[in-house]
This record gives sequence, C-alpha cells and structure tokens, in this order.
Amino acid sequence: QVQLVQSGAEVKKPGSSMKVSCKASGGTFNNYGFSWVRQAPGQGLEWMGGIIPISGTANYAQKFQGRVTFTADESTSTAYMDLGSLRSDDTAVYFCASSALYHSSGWYYYYMDVWGKGTTVTVSS
Amino acid sequence: EIVLTQSPGTLSLSPGERATLSCRASQSVSSSYLAWYQQKVGQAPRLLIYGASSRATGIPDRFSGSGSGTDFTLTISRLEPEDFGVYYCQQYGRSLFTFGPGTKVDIK
Repeated sequence: QVQLVQSGAEVKKPGSSMKVSCKASGGTFNNYGFSWVRQAPGQGLEWMGGIIPISGTANYAQKFQGRVTFTADESTSTAYMDLGSLRSDDTAVYFCASSALYHSSGWYYYYMDVWGKGTTVTVSS
Repeated sequence: EIVLTQSPGTLSLSPGERATLSCRASQSVSSSYLAWYQQKVGQAPRLLIYGASSRATGIPDRFSGSGSGTDFTLTISRLEPEDFGVYYCQQYGRSLFTFGPGTKVDIK
C-alpha cells in the first residue's frame, strides 16, 4: 500500500506563500489521486482540492480558488500544494491523502484511503 | 455544494455499547459516494467506510455503514476502547468533496 511522507512544519508571515510536499512510496504514482485537506486548531476537516497526475486534472474548493495550486511530479512521486497570500486563519494542519482511481468518462476518485501525518503551518507576524 | 450534517454532535457511551452515528446530506449523494473516517487526537483521519457500506482494508467488522440518497448511518456494534474519537462523513459529487462537522464519541 502506498505511504505518504509530508514536508516539515513551517512558520510563515502574513502575505507570504507556502509549499507543502507529499512524497508517495510503495505504489505506482500515476495509479492514485491526491487530495489536500486542512484542519484548523480544534476544528473539523476542510477539503481544499486535489489532483489526478495521470490526467493532470486538478480540482479546487471554491473557497481557495485563485490562491492555491496543486501540482504533481511523477519523476519524484511527489504531490505539492502551493498556498499564497497567507493569513492568520490559514494556521492549520495540512494533510495530503491518496486515493484509488476509478474510470468513467475520465479518471476520478471518491474517497481518501491513505493519509500523510500532516504538516503544521503557523501563520503569524 | 452539498452540505453534510452529522448528529449527534457528541455521543457518550461505555465500552461494549452500540453506537449509531447519522450523516444527512442537503441533496442526494450520487452513487453512494459517501465515506466515513475516524480521527483520534493528534492523528490523521483513517478511512473506515467507502461507497456508503464497504469497509476499508483492515477495518473490523464491528464497523458498518448503510444508507443512500440523503441519509446515511455508521454503526459500531460493540464499542472497543480504541474506538473513541471523532467520526466524519464525507461526500463526493461533481468533482467536489465536502466533510460533515463530525461526531465525537467519548467515554461515558
């Protein structure tokens, strides 16, 4: 089963940007979709969006459109999440998750079966 | 966007008891694209159920999911000490995902 290793904790200034990585091992990278989910302190899970490397398709939650970009590098089996214009309320744990792919008029996935341990991001002046 | 509502917010039970968690969607969830996750403090979520009723790999059979359309249920037949935590439902539709607010299952 695939395993996901995320980059380390970060402290960022308001207005700056951040890039979190998620390296997959133990599986064929293009067989999976990758989601990004965040969790603010004491709060629930919030889906930010995801990417399907085999098709290059990325989907974004409306709340984050224009501020976040998802990319994937097959050569290093790594998915990335870039979030810009950081604010204090972006302070959260950011999780990546992989998903088995299904095909019906295109590739898709509908659940997240392997999760990384999370990357803690603190936005503070 | 489909909004998910979970009830109750908190469920206080003893080990050995049955837990019934509800997830209601604001619109019908297509093809039962409904999943359940368990999260313990300081840990990543863990997939329990996908497709409304299919158990994920390694999930004990005391966990079961049911439902369709707008009403879904996660049942834990006999609570074990390691089952206490927060449970989230999640739906997929039109390339978008949403999570419910969660139900906390704690020790009575």
